[in-house]
Amino acid sequence: AQKVTQAQTEISVVEKEDVTLDCVYETRDTTYYLFWYKQPPSGELVFLIRRNSFDEQNEISGRYSWNFQKSTSSFNFTITASQVVDSAVYFCALSEAQGGSEKLVFGKGTKLTVNP
Amino acid sequence: NAGVMQNPRHLVRRRGQEARLRCSPMKGHSHVYWYRQLPEEGLKFMVYLQKENIIDESGMPKERFSAEFPKEGPSILRIQQVVRGDSAAYFCASSPELAGGAYEQYFGPGTRLTVT
Repeated sequence: AQKVTQAQTEISVVEKEDVTLDCVYETRDTTYYLFWYKQPPSGELVFLIRRNSFDEQNEISGRYSWNFQKSTSSFNFTITASQVVDSAVYFCALSEAQGGSEKLVFGKGTKLTVNP
Repeated sequence: NAGVMQNPRHLVRRRGQEARLRCSPMKGHSHVYWYRQLPEEGLKFMVYLQKENIIDESGMPKERFSAEFPKEGPSILRIQQVVRGDSAAYFCASSPELAGGAYEQYFGPGTRLTVT
């Protein structure tokens, strides 16, 4: 069965600090996809990144970077030089895309508060 | 290029009434997903539909809940005889129909259902 664990329920940092959000997943499939979404206080869900299981290259997008390690089943997300606008709940999600369904299995989220 | 549209954004129903939540996917997207976010919990998959077909309803409660995605018009999530436990945010997501692999799902702003 698929499972996503975000062990950090809440994190609080001061602006300009770097912060890493952890994500550990479980799946029996060799082909799967990992995602990160951001949910700001306004409530909408914003797509951040999709990564497939065959691509272990780390990715950087501005102040955001992602570290995918199959050996530890982790897909961690780092925000460099955090800003107040980064305050949100961040969700990690997994999709196996097997059997015709591409449903996302979400972790419970990590609430990040960036203080000025 | 409009994103995923959901309406209403807020819905208040009394116990025993029916709730109808509507979702219009992004232009060109033919896959629709419904998720529910209960207070203090992550998002849980409910149902996955393509035009006129339910592909996966493994996350739908067995009673009172139904979903459709007709050939014309928005996808509808219908909850009959609502109870207080149905109070939640309901999110719709859509993705394009492309071969091979899970594609990112783009989420609507959600409908916040309150049952009094």
